[in-house]
Amino acid sequence: QVQLQESGPGLVKPSETLSLTCTVSGGSISTYYWTWIRLPPGKGLEWIGYIDTSGSTTYNPSLKSRVTISIDTSKNQFSLNLNSVTAADTAVYYCASKVVGATSRFDYWGQGTLVSVSS
Amino acid sequence: QSALTQPASVSGSPGQSITISCTGTSSDIGGYNYVSWYRKHPGKAPKLMIYVVSNRPSGVSNRFSGSKSGNTASLTISGLQAEDEADYYCSSYSSTNTLVFGGGTKLTVL
Repeated sequence: QVQLQESGPGLVKPSETLSLTCTVSGGSISTYYWTWIRLPPGKGLEWIGYIDTSGSTTYNPSLKSRVTISIDTSKNQFSLNLNSVTAADTAVYYCASKVVGATSRFDYWGQGTLVSVSS
Repeated sequence: QSALTQPASVSGSPGQSITISCTGTSSDIGGYNYVSWYRKHPGKAPKLMIYVVSNRPSGVSNRFSGSKSGNTASLTISGLQAEDEADYYCSSYSSTNTLVFGGGTKLTVL
C-alpha cells in the first residue's frame, strides 16, 4: 500500500516561494507519475502538475510560469515550488500518485497540507 | 484549459438514486475515455471511485457507476446511504497531456 506524506511551511508571505515535499513509502517510486493538486477554500480541485521518474514534467498551463516540480528517487521524494505567491494560492495542497500514461486516475493521495499566503 | 462543469449541488433521500453530470469539451471528455470520479469527505483526502469512465477500483461499492455520452460524463449512485454525503469531483485527461477537474458537486443525503 503506497503512502504519501506532504511536508513544508504552513504560512508563506506574498511574493515569496511556496515549497512542499512529498515522501513516498510502501511502494516503488517508479510505478507512478507523481502529482501535485490543490484545493483552494470554497473552490474545486485544481491539478498543478506531475513528474515522472526520469524527471520529465507536465504543468497546468495556468500555473506553468510559476511552478517547478522535481524528484529525488534516492530519497523517494518529490517536491513542489510555486513562486511569486499571492493570497489566491492559499489552499490545501495534496500530493498524489497518477497511473502512468494518458489517464486521470490518481490511486493514492497524501492527507493534504494547508498553506496560507499572508503577511 | 477550463474546469469541467458540474452542478454545484444535488440531493436525494436514503435508498434513492442520484446522478451527477460533468460536462467538458471535445478536447477532454469527448476526446478520451479517461474520466475519473473522486469522493471527498470534509478534512479527508479525495478517494478514487471510478476510472476510465466506468471502472470501479477494488473495494468500491457497485452502487457507484459511471458513463459517458459525447462531452458529458455521469456518476450514478444507487441506494443512497448517509455515508455518501460528500463532495464529488470529476476529472479528465486533456489534450497536450494535461489534466482537468470539475468544480465539484456537493451531495446531500436528506
